[in-house]
Amino acid sequence: GAGVSQSPSNKVTEKGKDVELRCDPISGHTALYWYRQSLGQGLEFLIYFQGNSAPDKSGLPSDRFSAERTGGSVSTLTIQRTQQEDSAVYLCASSSQRGYNEQFFGPGTRLTVL
Amino acid sequence: DQQVKQNSPSLSVQEGRISILNCDYTNSMFDYFLWYKKYPAEGPTFLISISSIKDKNEDGRFTVFLNKSAKHLSLHIVPSQPGDSAVYFCAASGLEKAGTALIFGKGTTLSVSS
Repeated sequence: GAGVSQSPSNKVTEKGKDVELRCDPISGHTALYWYRQSLGQGLEFLIYFQGNSAPDKSGLPSDRFSAERTGGSVSTLTIQRTQQEDSAVYLCASSSQRGYNEQFFGPGTRLTVL
Repeated sequence: DQQVKQNSPSLSVQEGRISILNCDYTNSMFDYFLWYKKYPAEGPTFLISISSIKDKNEDGRFTVFLNKSAKHLSLHIVPSQPGDSAVYFCAASGLEKAGTALIFGKGTTLSVSS
């Protein structure tokens, strides 16, 4: 079966531009997470979606970051007015209610802000 | 303030020997711990987990030990194989259910030489 997919795999953008990163979770998984991994760091939680509930946005680093999840499936992470410190690998994960927090990760999108 | 710490950025082991990866945490509310393995250009993959009600969980060559009083866990791989060479992340969560963001350490790079 298909795992979590993300697109694009790589994105290079200029400072100040907006970017959109896409995540397709595993079919049937109700929970979806976004994390990012900056160079030399661990994974940092950004935002979490569970079914139709309001998302947990507590990890978003600034109001330039937003995310939506349409129809309980695909999610888009948007970064407005990108800064160089936004350069990182952005990882999406999904899990099922029966998964006891075993999260399945996509390959990530490597974002480079010049 | 790191809640999950992996103090050894790297570990080198010979094939056939035991690999021991360590992880410390500070938040006593954590009650579920996971280990993820990550190859370059891929997302992390779930390896093994342990609930705080246990002190050991074993799956094939992989065993995780939890010492709650010391807020310490370790992953043992025996025997180590060259294919085990990867970055290993320790992660923790506050509730043993889907829907809780994972708090990750910075990772330990394991190199297994043949």
